[in-house]
Amino acid sequence: DSGVTQTPKHLITATGQRVTLRCSPRSGDLSVYWYQQSLDQGLQFLIQYYNGEERAKGNILERFSAQQFPDLHSELNLSSLELGDSALYFCASSFRLAGGTGELFFGEGSRLTVL
Amino acid sequence: DAKTTQPNSMESNEEEPVHLPCNHSTISGTDYIHWYRQLPSQGPEYVIHGLTSNVNNRMASLAIAEDRKSSTLILHRATLRDAAVYYCILRDGMRSQAGTALIFGKGTTLSVSS
Repeated sequence: DSGVTQTPKHLITATGQRVTLRCSPRSGDLSVYWYQQSLDQGLQFLIQYYNGEERAKGNILERFSAQQFPDLHSELNLSSLELGDSALYFCASSFRLAGGTGELFFGEGSRLTVL
Repeated sequence: DAKTTQPNSMESNEEEPVHLPCNHSTISGTDYIHWYRQLPSQGPEYVIHGLTSNVNNRMASLAIAEDRKSSTLILHRATLRDAAVYYCILRDGMRSQAGTALIFGKGTTLSVSS
């Protein structure tokens, strides 16, 4: 158990819909990262938040958005869903002074299926 | 970010040592070498990391070449549970105190046979 909690574990929805994925980081971790893993793209970094502020952006689509709340949990919002958005979405957290040395702790992921 | 090159796949037998290579010829002086692995249907998990010296922990050993242009992850006795995708990632240690994201490549898929 990494200490990172993601909900829901599974989600099935239709094209055009909007979903929200939730992540609770490990106690004390201020950084939260979101990743998308699909069969053809591998693990893709989407976005990072640190103590409520956006810190880095990866390959995140404009239809996707995220935020980190004062209690440090984070939500990833996916809208106007397309079939290609079907993937595993992972959240990870790290200690605030991770820099290049600290490890990231990953949750078990949320599997999104768009029909 | 500097790039790493790993073999697509490797095979091993249970109870035998496994050496997983990684080339990173454009590594900078502040890049740490990180290894993560992803077991089937799970999120990635940290294995080990190092800067210049060889490192050991309960999971594995990391051997870093003197010129730092390559490294090897060593699993001393492979078990069936070690079958996973292993990722070698460079991470700049100077970039940010807030932490930097891991950029994953395709990694090496390790198969372990009994």
